[in-house]
Amino acid sequence: GQNIDQPTEMTATEGAIVQINCTYQTSGFNGLFWYQQHAGEAPTFLSYNVLDGLEEKGRFSSFLSRSKGYSYLLLKELQMKDSASYLCAVRDNKGNTPLVFGKGTRLSVIA
Amino acid sequence: SAVISQKPSRDICQRGTSLTIQCQVDSQVTMMFWYRQQPGQSLTLIATANQGSEATYESGFVIDKFPISRPNLTFSTLTVSNMSPEDSSIYLCSVEAFFAGGPTDTQYFGPGTRLTVL
Repeated sequence: GQNIDQPTEMTATEGAIVQINCTYQTSGFNGLFWYQQHAGEAPTFLSYNVLDGLEEKGRFSSFLSRSKGYSYLLLKELQMKDSASYLCAVRDNKGNTPLVFGKGTRLSVIA
Repeated sequence: SAVISQKPSRDICQRGTSLTIQCQVDSQVTMMFWYRQQPGQSLTLIATANQGSEATYESGFVIDKFPISRPNLTFSTLTVSNMSPEDSSIYLCSVEAFFAGGPTDTQYFGPGTRLTVL
């Protein structure tokens, strides 16, 4: 079966750093994706990891450990506009297969 | 990234009626998917829209309720048939595409169609 777990909600302070964790158990693995979704809008692609390690893109970084079935999204220098849901998704097979999404983590950034 | 448009952006429908949602992409893509997102929930895959053949439905979704067309590599429709209030949701079209500067085979999403069934 497929299972992707992430915390339901998190709160962090403007200017701080927050780490959103994601664990997965899937029949196969061919990449892990993070998406950002503001309320009432479609998800937008943030990052992609297929090899172990850290991928950095500006204020956002994503880490993957395939042996542990674990990823995290790190947001630095938080801004109010970062308040959104963050979705972890896994592609469990090669080829043209859709992503499997976790339930998402709703992040609230407070002053 | 791909430019994906959906029509309508929102609609309010009566119980028992049907609504067809259109998804248009500005470039040819192999893979198109339809998702549903109920209030406060994550994305649930309805089906993969296959060009030139019948869609592939996920468990819990059937063709009679959610017929899908994919006449070419840039367009697809999803129909929500015989609607009930439980069908109130956001319906999202998604495509798998590769664009310069991005990773291979990333999924991109349309803006969604917000459906309310009374």
